[in-house]
Amino acid sequence: DGGITQSPKYLFRKEGQNVTLSCEQNLNHDAMYWYRQDPGQGLRLIYYSQIVNDFQKGDIAEGYSVSREKKESFPLTVTSAQKNPTAFYLCASSIGRVQPQHFGDGTRLSIL
Amino acid sequence: GESVGLHLPTLSVQEGDNSIINCAYSNSASDYFIWYKQESGKGPQFIIDIRSNMDKRQGQRVTVLLNKTVKHLSLQIAATQPGDSAVYFCAENSNSGYALNFGKGTSLLVTP
Repeated sequence: DGGITQSPKYLFRKEGQNVTLSCEQNLNHDAMYWYRQDPGQGLRLIYYSQIVNDFQKGDIAEGYSVSREKKESFPLTVTSAQKNPTAFYLCASSIGRVQPQHFGDGTRLSIL
Repeated sequence: GESVGLHLPTLSVQEGDNSIINCAYSNSASDYFIWYKQESGKGPQFIIDIRSNMDKRQGQRVTVLLNKTVKHLSLQIAATQPGDSAVYFCAENSNSGYALNFGKGTSLLVTP
């Protein structure tokens, strides 16, 4: 079945460590997105990519980095500069602009 | 600035009743709106969307109403079932047309 796969489901980060969250889609969508969700809150945009080799900062990009080398993949790195990384991270994709975004089931990141 | 908000943080309805979840938006330039359902520990699931050139759109048991005059969006769920219990988010497209701005969500609880 087509969809979005995020891995791992749970991830723990040590102080000073960078961690990378995986997001893969087989929907043949051009656009991909990363959102952060804190408890009892809506989703906030970290980064998005309209097309391969291009990405744009969202509202809360500080302390995060992304790459888009392949259409199917949009990994997110949470760097040590992100001082409050504990959250639920959601990846999404869409055919293009002004189209529904389809989400994966998220990665929950915690600090050791 | 842009904001998407909800009038009620929680809503409790009896099984079989109709549910109405409301949402206010502030960006009059938004031309696309979307509703998501999120169950605990999962990613948001697309329910229905509507473009600004429409006032109403119907799906299976769901209807979205858009009132551009007062910048108000609502989701109506007919014959609410226990499986409808979840958090519901409204979202509007950002100025780029790609990313979505999410509200904080309404928790819907369906009681027998």
